[in-house]
Amino acid sequence: DAGITQSPRHKVTETGTPVTLRCHQTENHRYMYWYRQDPGHGLRLIHYSYGVKDTDKGEVSDGYSVSRSKTEDFLLTLESATSSQTSVYFCAISELGQGADEQFFGPGTRLTVL
Amino acid sequence: AQKVTQAQTEISVVEKEDVTLDCVYETRDTTYYLFWYKQPPSGELVFLIRRNSFDEQNEISGRYSWNFQKSTSSFNFTITASQVVDSAVYFCALSEADRGSTLGRLYFGRGTQLTVWP
Repeated sequence: DAGITQSPRHKVTETGTPVTLRCHQTENHRYMYWYRQDPGHGLRLIHYSYGVKDTDKGEVSDGYSVSRSKTEDFLLTLESATSSQTSVYFCAISELGQGADEQFFGPGTRLTVL
Repeated sequence: AQKVTQAQTEISVVEKEDVTLDCVYETRDTTYYLFWYKQPPSGELVFLIRRNSFDEQNEISGRYSWNFQKSTSSFNFTITASQVVDSAVYFCALSEADRGSTLGRLYFGRGTQLTVWP
């Protein structure tokens, strides 16, 4: 199994509070992605990274920011959580990008915003 | 517009039946990749297969087979002699690889919930 961990695995927070989710990999892969999974929507890309300090937005990036200061860590921050951000968040990694290799996914973080 | 459409929201079969999960995709890229992932009740996403746009050969892996047809923009997945352990949500996904496409991002379909009854 690819070495990807996510923390926390579960979190309940209140509207308006900041939340940071962490994705950690031990594969030294260049590309990292954050997706959210919601019923009826499949998985949708929030942000991605193609190297240290190189990040860009996905299709549902509003309300989220990311940072990557080390190859192994990709942080997703909700500056002020809203109930619409209740979701399951998945981190993924890829060595080659461009779909040329499979993306491996972390175990997911279930976030509930009350 | 959805780039990947999985029209079947839910499918129920009885063990040992064959079942086909449909996937239709849309892209203007000439180079692209198609994927299937499995999400069992435990929630993790398990990679099943990747296929590139230049390889239309069908693939078989044990009880699993995939039929890729560019003419109909489809990448269907068949499970032969289904088992209870096959019960899961199955996602089809597309990655576009022409110049200018977002680096390796996956466009997912909404998934098909497969339930196999004993």
